[in-house]
Amino acid sequence: QKEVEQNSGPLSVPEGAIASLNCTYSDRGSQSFFWYRQYSGKSPELIMSIYSNGDKEDGRFTAQLNKASQYVSLLIRDSQPSDSATYLCAGDSGGYQKVTFGTGTKLQVIP
Amino acid sequence: KAGVTQTPRYLIKTRGQQVTLSCSPISGHRSVSWYQQTPGQGLQFLFEYFSETQRNKGNFPGRFSGRQFSNSRSEMNVSTLELGDSALYLCASSFEPPNTEAFFGQGTRLTVV
Repeated sequence: QKEVEQNSGPLSVPEGAIASLNCTYSDRGSQSFFWYRQYSGKSPELIMSIYSNGDKEDGRFTAQLNKASQYVSLLIRDSQPSDSATYLCAGDSGGYQKVTFGTGTKLQVIP
Repeated sequence: KAGVTQTPRYLIKTRGQQVTLSCSPISGHRSVSWYQQTPGQGLQFLFEYFSETQRNKGNFPGRFSGRQFSNSRSEMNVSTLELGDSALYLCASSFEPPNTEAFFGQGTRLTVV
């Protein structure tokens, strides 16, 4: 079982809609979670970090963490074509000094 | 504030050769992690260094090694290159242990022929 799992997509949403990206993790000791955006041919760019249960909002982005259910999600409101990218979910490995990434979900925002 | 700098950006090597990649972290960051990214496997953790000590290593053969210097700059080395080593190699730096926000460099694209 992979430590961090995501659907590979592609997830297609129309412009202006809400895109919902989901991620599950297997290590109950994980405390820190991150969402990265990666455009084709570029390196990952940090969008959000979340450490506590609940929601964390930053502009059009909302990260949600549910430690009991071991899932993390990212909502993108008012999706724009420029949001089209691969979104990587990552979590720490409970103190093992490494961060594990999911394989990413490709998001396509259709104009 | 300068970001994470990786050099070189592109490399072409022949099977059997060795290669050294360099990563300069964001000023003040002491943790450097290295990843290999391929289309099929995604981002795979190679190793993490903090204050010149390797604290964790991913599931890669011993041909992959690294080190960190006192100024936090890090290098990784791959010996006896194989075709399957062709990938984008990324380093990420963070202020404290890697379970804090990490920022990636632009990566080194390695092609083994």
